[in-house]
Amino acid sequence: GAVVSQHPSWVICKSGTSVKIECRSLDFQATTMFWYRQFPKQSLMLMATSNEGSKATYEQGVEKDKFLINHASLTLSTLTVTSAHPEDSSFYICSASQGSSYEQYFGPGTRLTVT
Amino acid sequence: ELKVEQNPLFLSMQEGKNYTIYCNYSTTSDRLYWYRQDPGKSLESLFVLLSNGAVKQEGRLMASLDTKARLSTLHITAAVHDLSATYFCAVDKGGSRLTFGEGTQLTVNP
Repeated sequence: GAVVSQHPSWVICKSGTSVKIECRSLDFQATTMFWYRQFPKQSLMLMATSNEGSKATYEQGVEKDKFLINHASLTLSTLTVTSAHPEDSSFYICSASQGSSYEQYFGPGTRLTVT
Repeated sequence: ELKVEQNPLFLSMQEGKNYTIYCNYSTTSDRLYWYRQDPGKSLESLFVLLSNGAVKQEGRLMASLDTKARLSTLHITAAVHDLSATYFCAVDKGGSRLTFGEGTQLTVNP
């Protein structure tokens, strides 16, 4: 149980284009989903928190107009990187939690390369 | 601002030896997590520690939490090669928003 998937697992896009990453909870309802970014050889950094049906809350320093987050249902959150640049190349990982549970379930990650 | 520091950042150890990874954090928190990450992969949950004095063990790994000292430890007993990975601690800064430590890259040599 408690499986989170991400799609795509990797994507290559050209500079200036937008790319959408999906995060799905497969066997539970995720009231809250989190998006993290991890650069090579570095730690994970929380980008934003999204709750179903409401606007995402972004961490300090994260551009909300560049990283659009939508949590349209209890099983799906999407992250759209708009006008991507090479410095946006990173490993993007989502996690999901259910209700007031302290457990977070991590997706397998999406590796984005911007050329 | 919550800061989470791990040490050591790099650890090379021989099979069969014991070692401890430390995780210090700067402000009060109710929850501390330990994760394992293999190269190119996402995170695998190891432990969730919810109260002062909590101790959890799974196989050769044991984690503990001292909320008064703001310190958690991950102890490795009789290391084996399969434990080679990067280990992260993460602290809940409120609302289940996690701040991660820098990670400890563990290499277990035969």
